[in-house]
Amino acid sequence: GESVGLHLPTLSVQEGDNSIINCAYSNSASDYFIWYKQESGKGPQFIIDIRSNMDKRQGQRVTVLLNKTVKHLSLQIAATQPGDSAVYFCAETLSYNYGQNFVFGPGTRLSVLP
Amino acid sequence: DVKVTQSSRYLVKRTGEKVFLECVQDMDHENMFWYRQDPGLGLRLIYFSYDVKMKEKGDIPEGYSVSREKKERFSLILESASTNQTSMYLCASSIPGQGVYEQYFGPGTRLTVT
Repeated sequence: GESVGLHLPTLSVQEGDNSIINCAYSNSASDYFIWYKQESGKGPQFIIDIRSNMDKRQGQRVTVLLNKTVKHLSLQIAATQPGDSAVYFCAETLSYNYGQNFVFGPGTRLSVLP
Repeated sequence: DVKVTQSSRYLVKRTGEKVFLECVQDMDHENMFWYRQDPGLGLRLIYFSYDVKMKEKGDIPEGYSVSREKKERFSLILESASTNQTSMYLCASSIPGQGVYEQYFGPGTRLTVT
């Protein structure tokens, strides 16, 4: 099947700095994307989603950017806090599947330094 | 809030044993999923179910089966556990066709097969 993302990298940022987490997807037909956050010992938790008819979507302290030309997603976290330390996954799907067939990336581990 | 619970957080089984992993959700969701999560590989779909007694194979169904006798409960069965099934198992649920295809995850079961 199609694959999303790269092998698990780690990103270390200073508390208060902005974080940018990247994800590459390979299915150009994918039209719906989600970012999840997974804290240690917990299941993934929804952060934000974006559809392919958008380039940017903002939430609380988070922004997702979608570049369909190069099949790239990014998650920006403003003023990173210790509670943001987690593994972040992107996931892609075709919306006609009604969310039944997501492909998940391997994730990026974010470490927030004091 | 949606709550997805899994019967065990940690499980140790021996090769050849039959293993049952149980998942229960309390929000009347039609869709339920079983994934396994391995370092560097992301989440891989084992099986999903879109209704009671209905099931669909995911990307890696070999060695697994599932049961959905009630809407709120989705069980993953390892008929004869093998060491390569040592992994983190995550259950999720979602509502189809709502425009936001967020999956709600349980905390996971870390299974070790010795």
